[in-house]
This record gives sequence, structure tokens and C-alpha cells, in this order.
Amino acid sequence: DVKVTQSSRYLVKRTGEKVFLECVQDMDHENMFWYRQDPGLGLRLIYFSYDVKMKEKGDIPEGYSVSREKKERFSLILESASTNQTSMYLCASRFRDRRTAGNTIYFGEGSWLTVV
Amino acid sequence: GENVEQHPSTLSVQEGDSAVIKCTYSDSASNYFPWYKQELGKRPQLIIDIRSNVGEKKDQRIAVTLNKTAKHFSLHITETQPEDSAVYFCAARGANNAGNMLTFGGGTRLMVKP
Repeated sequence: DVKVTQSSRYLVKRTGEKVFLECVQDMDHENMFWYRQDPGLGLRLIYFSYDVKMKEKGDIPEGYSVSREKKERFSLILESASTNQTSMYLCASRFRDRRTAGNTIYFGEGSWLTVV
Repeated sequence: GENVEQHPSTLSVQEGDSAVIKCTYSDSASNYFPWYKQELGKRPQLIIDIRSNVGEKKDQRIAVTLNKTAKHFSLHITETQPEDSAVYFCAARGANNAGNMLTFGGGTRLMVKP
């Protein structure tokens, strides 16, 4: 059974703090993703990584950075947290997509971040 | 890039009734359309998907239909049960999308009343 684990379920941070959200997957997946979930806006892609040390911007990368030093771990970094980054953050992973159509993305449980 | 719109945003049905959630997409080259279910406090999980060479797919009480000409696809849940209550997300993957990324709809909160 695929397991995608996010280290923190609930965090409260102050404006201006540096925030790290950690994600680990145990299925040797090449691709990993960070999404942000907000009511009515669905899941929006922040950053993704094809493989170790590779990263690409998604649809809403501003204010975020990422790190993928090991294949199993993908970290999301908020350099200086702001109140508009209060949200639910979802990590996900999948095998490298070798087909013309997609394969399954597996999500973590999510991290609720509140910035005050 | 791809744009996916999902309707309705909330849907309330009586147990045993059917529920239909609709999505439209903008990229005519999109070729993969998954549906995810997210129960309260849980992670989104894939429940069914369809590829562009198929018009309909069924799995027990759930089915998905795809109309490529109109660029829309729908999720149908029959004989709804309280455990079907969740947020449902549709998604589309454009063929010209570098990295094979999914674009998600805004979500539908389905409430099944016993």
C-alpha cells in the first residue's frame, strides 16, 4: 500500500517566520508534488519534482520554494510566511508517467497551516 | 493552459437517490480524466478515471462519462449512501502539458442525507 506521509498535520506560525513542510513517500516514486487546497479553488499546484534534485514551478509558486535532496523526500518552504498562505497543503507522488495518459497520484493526509 | 470548471459546488441528496457532478475542460487535447474523493479530514483518493479513447466507464455504483466534442465529463453515483458524503474533485491532463500535470476542478461537496 502506497504511503505518503506529511510530518505535520496542524501548524500555527507567525507572519514572517520560515516554515518547512516535509513529505516522505515509501514507494520509490520519481514524481512528487505540492498542492494547496482552498475552498472553491480545488487543488492548485505549487511545485513539482520529476526526480531527485529536479524541481519545476506549478501554477502558484510565488512565496514558496522546494527541496528534493533525496528521492523519497520533498520539502515545501515558505521563506517568509504571510497570512494569505493560511491553507491546507497536500503532498503527492506517483511513478514517472511513461504512457500517453496519466497514472495514479497518491496524496498525503495534508498539513493545515495557519499564519497569524 | 488547461482550465477545469466543476459544478455544482455543493450537492445535497437523499439517501438512495442519484448524484451527478459535471466538469468542463478547455484543452481539447486533454486525454486523461480522474475523479478523486476526499472524506472529511482524509486525503483525496482516486475513485475512478477515464481515458479519452473511452466514452463511459463503470465501477459498481459509480460511473464516469466523457463527451470529447463538448469537452465535458461527469461523475454519476447511483443509490447514494451516507458514506458517499465527501468532497469530489475532477481533474484533466492536457496532452500538451509539460510534466503531465493534472488540473483540478474546484470541488463538489456532496451531502447524502439519511
